[in-house]
Amino acid sequence: DAGVIQSPRHEVTEMGQEVTLRCKPISGHNSLFWYRQTMMRGLELLIYFNNNVPIDDSGMPEDRFSAKMPNASFSTLKIQPSEPRDSAVYFCASSLGSGRFYEQYFGPGTRLTVT
Amino acid sequence: AQKVTQAQTEISVVEKEDVTLDCVYETRDTTYYLFWYKQPPSGELVFLIRRNSFDEQNEISGRYSWNFQKSTSSFNFTITASQVVDSAVYFCALSETGANNLFFGTGTRLTVIP
Repeated sequence: DAGVIQSPRHEVTEMGQEVTLRCKPISGHNSLFWYRQTMMRGLELLIYFNNNVPIDDSGMPEDRFSAKMPNASFSTLKIQPSEPRDSAVYFCASSLGSGRFYEQYFGPGTRLTVT
Repeated sequence: AQKVTQAQTEISVVEKEDVTLDCVYETRDTTYYLFWYKQPPSGELVFLIRRNSFDEQNEISGRYSWNFQKSTSSFNFTITASQVVDSAVYFCALSETGANNLFFGTGTRLTVIP
């Protein structure tokens, strides 16, 4: 079975440009999570969807970040405009259910570099 | 305050040695889950184990074993007879009642030297 799929795997962009990261969760999973990993802050949750509905977006850094989940098999994380401090690895994860009862399965990540 | 503390930033061992990765957590909840994830050099996060707060039995899976002790709020991970393929960053994580996300520790980088 395919795991969580993320694209692109690497993205290099200039400051001020729009960046869109994509995620396809594991089929049948109804929860989706976006995380950001940096050396300074470690792994941080950005936003969490359950049944395509955003449940908790308190981790989204600022208005430049937005996320959507138009259907059960696709989600995007958009940064507009991008800044150098957004450089990080962005992970998408999915799970069978919500909350603590289910383990999350992570995608390979998107390494974003903003110059 | 950190909910999950992994005090060991980096550990190096020689192949075939046993190694224990420490994890100490902090929560006021009586119901919670603890997790271990592995992040190999390729970058993906691989789920290893989930334990709930009511199950303190130690668990063994091949060369991996986990020791959960509520009295000390610890959930330590031991690799027996380590192999080069075990080289990775290992993360401990906590999920609390009502929480949607995982609180990750800062990770322990394990290097197994051949």
